[in-house]
This record gives sequence, structure tokens and C-alpha cells, in this order.
Amino acid sequence: GENVGLHLPTLSVQEGDNSIINCAYSNSASDYFIWYKQESGKGPQFIIDIRSNMDKRQGQRVTVLLNKTVKHLSLQIAATQPGDSAVYFCADSFILTGGGNKLTFGTGTQLKVEL
Amino acid sequence: DAGVIQSPRHEVTEMGQEVTLRCKPISGHDYLFWYRQTMMRGLELLIYFNNNVPIDDSGMPEDRFSAKMPNASFSTLKIQPSEPRDSAVYFCASSLTGGAAFFGQGTRLTVV
Repeated sequence: GENVGLHLPTLSVQEGDNSIINCAYSNSASDYFIWYKQESGKGPQFIIDIRSNMDKRQGQRVTVLLNKTVKHLSLQIAATQPGDSAVYFCADSFILTGGGNKLTFGTGTQLKVEL
Repeated sequence: DAGVIQSPRHEVTEMGQEVTLRCKPISGHDYLFWYRQTMMRGLELLIYFNNNVPIDDSGMPEDRFSAKMPNASFSTLKIQPSEPRDSAVYFCASSLTGGAAFFGQGTRLTVV
């Protein structure tokens, strides 16, 4: 039968190019944001995070940009490699009174790296 | 350092049977989360614990689902009785307060 499921946006890039994956969040109270990478058959893997008092944070080959005005988050991957092929999720959370910490995940973006 | 450990990795069971999924969080983490991932609904939060106490179980789909955390190093998610629509990958994750959640490799559950 037809495989019906979430329609994941797909980003195809050439090996060596830079990738930009975008994410919109809805909760204006969110103050902590995380990007995850999920390879087939594995659990989501932490890539990089950013707090709401920052608008940019860099890691190894990855940069996260946060625009709180429009509630937008992006992940930039430099010199994309075949091993970067995966589904990428953004997640946001806020700390509740009493310490509650609840992550809300986006639907994900499939990144395909073409040789 | 061991990450979040889940067992079993795969489970196939018949409709109506009880299923128990297990999780060992990262030592020292005070939050534990159970998520379910399906093609139709993506990644859904079922329940989470803080210091072994359930904080929010609003994502638990039905009374057939229950979760416990008897101590800081162990949690279970139980489905009784199981139904084919429960087939999914179930993830456990743990975190420190205000920190990123780290996920296990998941349990792929198939109910036939």
C-alpha cells in the first residue's frame, strides 16, 4: 500500500557545499533551542544548542542562528559531507517554574548529500 | 561514558500481549523522557520525569500506557494490552535541568 506519513522537507546539496536547514518555532516563551541529527535506525543525536540570550553559536562545521523576532532557527553545515545525510530536527523548550524542561520537536528536514 | 541504554532494541509481540520497554538514563541526569516516533506523527513526547517523579503525562495516548521510574537509574514504559497501532519506535532520553536531552537508540516495537 501507499506509504503515507509526514511529508518531510528535503534538502539536496552537493558534497562540499554549505547546507542551511531552517526551522520555525511557535512558542515565544521558549528560551532554549537544540538541533538534532537522526540517522536511519538510530536515535536523535545532539548537534548544537543555543540559548535565547544569543543569536549565533558556532561548533565544529556547524553554526546555529536564532532570530527571536520572527521565531526562526537555522542550522548551517559547512563543507557538507556524505556522512551528514540524515534527518535534522530542531527542538525548543522553556524552563517552567519548578524546573520543568519540556522539549517540543519540529517535523524534521531530510538532508541528502549528493556526490 | 555510556549513553542512554534502552532494551530491547526490537520487540515483536502479538496483539493483546503486555510489552515492557526499559531505559537506563545517563548517570546524574535528573530528567527522563519517553518519546514515540512514527511516520504519521513524527516524534511525540509521551511522559517525562524529574527526579523520578512524573511531571507531565499528557502525551500518554491511553490508559493502556503506563510508565514508572522506581529509581534514578531505571525507567519502564508498559503497554497492556498492546495493539497494532502501538507499533512505533520508542525512545528514552535524559537530561540535566535546562540542558539538552540525550537519546537512546530506541526500541522498535511491532505489534501483529
